[in-house]
Formats: sequence, C-alpha cells, structure tokens
Amino acid sequence: QQQVKQSPQSLIVQKGGISIINCAYENTAFDYFPWYQQFPGKGPALLIAIRPDVSEKKEGRFTISFNKSAKQFSLHIMDSQPGDSATYFCAASSTSGSRLTFGEGTQLTVNP
Amino acid sequence: SAVISQKPSRDICQRGTSLTIQCQVDSQVTMMFWYRQQPGQSLTLIATANQGSEATYESGFVIDKFPISRPNLTFSTLTVSNMSPEDSSIYLCSVLGLADEVQETQYFGPGTRLLVL
Repeated sequence: QQQVKQSPQSLIVQKGGISIINCAYENTAFDYFPWYQQFPGKGPALLIAIRPDVSEKKEGRFTISFNKSAKQFSLHIMDSQPGDSATYFCAASSTSGSRLTFGEGTQLTVNP
Repeated sequence: SAVISQKPSRDICQRGTSLTIQCQVDSQVTMMFWYRQQPGQSLTLIATANQGSEATYESGFVIDKFPISRPNLTFSTLTVSNMSPEDSSIYLCSVLGLADEVQETQYFGPGTRLLVL
C-alpha cells in the first residue's frame, strides 16, 4: 500500500488557535515523513520532517507527533497566524526521500 | 538547499500546441523529478529525469506526451505535447537534496502555471 491519507481537507482556525492536520499510512517501509507548506502561486516548501525513531519533533510553532504503532502522524501549529494560511501536504518515503508519496493536502485558513 | 528556477512561470496556450518547461538548479544534483498538480489537488509524479538516459515514467504518463530531457546535472526540460484543456495544471520540478546530515528529501521549484484554451 503506497497511499498516505490526510485529513481534514480544509481547516479554519482563529488567530492564536491550534491547527491540527492528521495523516495515516499503510506501508511499514516508510521511514521518513516530511511536511510541505505551499502558498498560492508557489511551489511546496519543506516545513518540518520526522523519522519513526522519535515520537515528536518541534521547530518553533510547528510540531510533528508520530505514532508508529498506529501508523499515524500529525502536524500541530501552535499560536496559528494569518500568515500560516496555506495548503499543507504530508508525505512519506522509504529510501532517502527519492520517492515521495503525498497526502491529499489540507487548505488551512487562519482568520485574524 | 539548492535554488531551483523554472521557465516560464506561467503560460496560456492553444490546444494542439506544445510547451517546453525548463528547470535550472544552481548546483549539481543526482536526481530531478517532474510533477503535475491539478487545481486544488495534490502532487502527482510524472517522471524521474535521468541524466544521460531516458526518463523513468510513472503509470499513466508516456514519453510521447511528456518528453523529458536532462542533458546535465543542473538542467532538465519537460515538454507537454499536443496540449488539451485537461493539461491545464501547475508543473513542478523537484530535486533531491540534503535535509540534514543523513537524510535526503525533495525540494521544489516555483512551478509553471499552464492554461490550455
């Protein structure tokens, strides 16, 4: 199974709130899980990534939580800001990122 | 990470014509990829551009429709041939680069926005 399932499809959050995006995978060979952020008119940009040997990784307001037994991982955006409004894609790969499987994307809107 | 540029950034084309999209990287990279992103959708891998050999296409994509060149380690082109309105999409190139000391991942160019009338 190569799919990565992402939810929700869209998310509206008030400024200062917490945004949570979830992803689930089937392929146990996946060992690298990056998140990409895409603003309108731009290409996707690597935001943060995690490997399955840790359960959480935090970079500033962005945190990835990883549950290896459940084959799920999630992105948490703390103190969400209007500038965070973008489409977020989770992804997974099994060998050095040479082949990425993407989730369907989540369109995040942070209201001021 | 590498700086990736694409030309053109956008174009409006007539059906039946072809468009060649260029991808330039500011450093040598081992692997380059081409993706299609239809409006409001996720990214779909078209092919891996191999330096010095034919590209490796994903299921549903063929060389006659999407010929790819990669003459060196910093440059690749994707041609969208005999275009139809269904080819209206964003076309993205990506390169494999270091995310940290031990992990590689893909970095994306800004994309080419194509509208076929």
